[in-house]
Amino acid sequence: DSGVTQTPKHLITATGQRVTLRCSPRSGDLSVYWYQQSLDQGLQFLIQYYNGEERAKGNILERFSAQQFPDLHSELNLSSLELGDSALYFCASSGHGELFFGEGSRLTVL
Amino acid sequence: DAKTTQPPSMDCAEGRAANLPCNHSTISGNEYVYWYRQIHSQGPQYIIHGLKNNETNEMASLIITEDRKSSTLILPHATLRDTAVYYCIVRGGNQAGTALIFGKGTTLSVSS
Repeated sequence: DSGVTQTPKHLITATGQRVTLRCSPRSGDLSVYWYQQSLDQGLQFLIQYYNGEERAKGNILERFSAQQFPDLHSELNLSSLELGDSALYFCASSGHGELFFGEGSRLTVL
Repeated sequence: DAKTTQPPSMDCAEGRAANLPCNHSTISGNEYVYWYRQIHSQGPQYIIHGLKNNETNEMASLIITEDRKSSTLILPHATLRDTAVYYCIVRGGNQAGTALIFGKGTTLSVSS
């Protein structure tokens, strides 16, 4: 158990819809990271938040957004969903060193 | 961050040592070598990291060559549960708290 909690574990929705994925970091970790893993792609870094502020951006689409709340949990919002957005979405947290990953949220867009 | 090169796949017999190589010939002096693994569709798991000295923990050993241009992750007694994709990542010491950029990794298959 990494201490990082992600919900929901599975989500099925239709094209054009909007979903929100939630992440609770390990106790005391200020950084939260979001990654996407599709079948034909590796782990792609999307975005990082540190203590409520956006710290770094990776390959995140404009249809996607994230935020980190005062209690340090984070949400990843995916809108205008397309078939190609079907993927595993991982959240990770860190203090000052290694990243600890949650078990992911599997999104299926039909 | 320096680029890493890993073989796409490796096989290992259960109970034998698994030695996973990683080439990072452009590594600079303040960059660490990190190893993670991902067991089928689970979240990546931290294994070990090092700068220049060899490191060992309860999961594995990390051997870094003297010139630091390559390293080897050693799983001393591989089990079926070690079947996973193993990622070697180089990251600057001044980048602690920054995102890890994953490559394609090595798929290790452990068989009985």
